[in-house]
Amino acid sequence: AQTVTQSQPEMSVQEAETVTLSCTYDTSESNYYLFWYKQPPSRQMILVIRQEAYKQQNATENRFSVNFQKAAKSFSLKISDSQLGDTAMYFCAFMKPQGGNSGGSNYKLTFGKGTLLTVNP
Amino acid sequence: KAGVTQTPRYLIKTRGQQVTLSCSPISGHRSVSWYQQTPGQGLQFLFEYFSETQRNKGNFPGRFSGRQFSNSRSEMNVSTLELGDSALYLCASSFVGRGKAFFGQGTRLTVV
Repeated sequence: AQTVTQSQPEMSVQEAETVTLSCTYDTSESNYYLFWYKQPPSRQMILVIRQEAYKQQNATENRFSVNFQKAAKSFSLKISDSQLGDTAMYFCAFMKPQGGNSGGSNYKLTFGKGTLLTVNP
Repeated sequence: KAGVTQTPRYLIKTRGQQVTLSCSPISGHRSVSWYQQTPGQGLQFLFEYFSETQRNKGNFPGRFSGRQFSNSRSEMNVSTLELGDSALYLCASSFVGRGKAFFGQGTRLTVV
């Protein structure tokens, strides 16, 4: 079974600064997806960024980027130019594609416990 | 395009009752999965449906069940509610093959 570990329960950063959230995972699979989701106080789970394990290039979405180290099973999220709206719980998640006759992946996500990020003005 | 819609948003039930939660996926998405979120256990996978068939099931008792309709809308049912079932229930929909899951706003269930 896959496990996802987020070792930082809480972090804070000043507005406009950069912060990095850590995530490690354990799997014997070679092909999988990794995600960062953001959950603000509204409780809506929002997809921030996705990384496909077979791609060596780190994913980037505007101010959000990841450092994917497959051998080390590490997947950190860097937020640049932090904004007050970035205040939220951030979850790292793993998904193992499962083929078969369903036409594609089975969407079972395994989540870490989350990191509460507070951006201070 | 409308997002994932979950109804109701809030629910209060009494121990022993049963409850049904609804999830309408994004148009064109045929995979719907359900998660339970609690402060103690975090986010836990309940089950996933694709084309009206349950493909995956998490480690939850049989009191938790679900189904998916031909229009991809899904419902989950919890029977004989216990206090520990109080949680935020999140639904996610996915377009098969795209490797992304999009979540609804959740249903907050409180069992008293």
